[in-house]
Amino acid sequence: GNSVTQMEGPVTLSEEAFLTINCTYTATGYPSLFWYVQYPGEGLQLLLKATKADDKGSNKGFEATYRKETTSFHLEKGSVQVSDSAVYFCAVNTGTASKLTFGTGTRLQVTL
Amino acid sequence: NAGVTQTPKFRILKIGQSMTLQCAQDMNHNYMYWYRQDPGMGLKLIYYSVGAGITDKGEVPNGYNVSRSTTEDFPLRLELAAPSQTSVYFCASSPTGGQTGELFFGEGSRLTVL
Repeated sequence: GNSVTQMEGPVTLSEEAFLTINCTYTATGYPSLFWYVQYPGEGLQLLLKATKADDKGSNKGFEATYRKETTSFHLEKGSVQVSDSAVYFCAVNTGTASKLTFGTGTRLQVTL
Repeated sequence: NAGVTQTPKFRILKIGQSMTLQCAQDMNHNYMYWYRQDPGMGLKLIYYSVGAGITDKGEVPNGYNVSRSTTEDFPLRLELAAPSQTSVYFCASSPTGGQTGELFFGEGSRLTVL
C-alpha cells in the first residue's frame, strides 16, 4: 500500500530561520501530494498541494516541489515566524475517493 | 461559516460503554471521512463515505460503525468501548473524489476510555 515518511520532530527554530521538513512517499500510479497544518487545539487544514511531477505548491510563504524521481515532497520556508508553530503533516492521495494517507506529523516550535 | 462540526469535543467513557460521535457538514460535500489521531502515529482512516447510503471501511474499522442517511451527517458509533479507542477523532469532508481532492476537517473530538 501507500505510505508516507516524515522527518521526526520536534523541530525547534529561531524566528526568521530557514525551515525544511522532509517527506518521502511510496505510492502506485500518479498520486497527488499534500501538506496539512494543525494549529494547537484545531483540526487539520490544507497548506499546499501538488498534483503532478515537478509541480510546486505554495502558500503563506511555504513551498514544496513534487519530485517523482526521488519520491519526495519536502516542505520549505525561507523565514519562519512564531505563528508558524504547529504540527505539519505530509499526505498522499490514494485513489478516487480522496482517501489520504498521512505521515506521522512533524511538530515545529519557533522561538523569538 | 460552520464547515464541519463535531460533537462532543470531549468525552470520558467507561470500558464497555457505547457512544456516538456526531459529525455534520453544511458544504454539500459528497465525501466524508472519520480519522483517529494517536500520538506519534499520524492519522488513520476508520471509515469513509462517498455519498448518502454508501459507506466503506478504512484502515482501522474494528470496534466502530458508521451510517450515512443524509449528505450532511456522518455519525461514528463506538460499541463496547475499549482503552485502545482512547484517541482524538477527526471528521472530514471533501467536495469531489479524484486526486485533487482537498479535505476539510472538524476541530476534533477527544475521547478517553477508562
